[in-house]
Amino acid sequence: DAKTTQPNSMESNEEEPVHLPCNHSTISGTDYIHWYRQLPSQGPEYVIHGLTSNVNNRMASLAIAEDRKSSTLILHRATLRDAAVYYCILSNFGNEKLTFGTGTRLTIIP
Amino acid sequence: ETGVTQTPRHLVMGMTNKKSLKCEQHLGHNAMYWYKQSAKKPLELMFVYSLEERVENNSVPSRFSPECPNSSHLFLHLHTLQPEDSALYLCASSQDDIRVLNQPQHFGDGTRLSIL
Repeated sequence: DAKTTQPNSMESNEEEPVHLPCNHSTISGTDYIHWYRQLPSQGPEYVIHGLTSNVNNRMASLAIAEDRKSSTLILHRATLRDAAVYYCILSNFGNEKLTFGTGTRLTIIP
Repeated sequence: ETGVTQTPRHLVMGMTNKKSLKCEQHLGHNAMYWYKQSAKKPLELMFVYSLEERVENNSVPSRFSPECPNSSHLFLHLHTLQPEDSALYLCASSQDDIRVLNQPQHFGDGTRLSIL
């Protein structure tokens, strides 16, 4: 199964953009890239997903490298409410389960 | 408000007790899931139900018994649990089951279970 690697923790200042990296060097051509986040005392929350092209939604943007071996979740303007653990997950046919790793703990500095 | 409600939010029980966790989704989804999140460990998928049929059992001990009476409700019946079963139990739902990719999962806020 393709694995993802994320930094354990990151800090960012409030109202600045945040770039959360994810490496997935063994990704297959059919793997989708998903991002979820988990705020304190809450269940995980879907953020965004993509396959090959960059994706945007109201929460974030997903930038996928051309070789797809890495991706970056972009929060355009961080708020204190964005402090959470962010998970980068791969799935594809035959391995559809969302396998959560340890994620990146994002701290927002006021 | 995620549309997935779990009760109770907290539960303390002895090893010989029997209790049940409840999950209800108001999203019209067809698939529901149970996950376990232990301290300092990643989320682990326990069970998957699609249209009220169990489609996945991730090698979970029989002291955990799921029940899905309809597509809106999911239960996890607990009996004779061990201290290592203390964890956050999360319920999730999605429009279709996991064999259809690109189905965002919507999670509840979990039940914090402590086994004495």
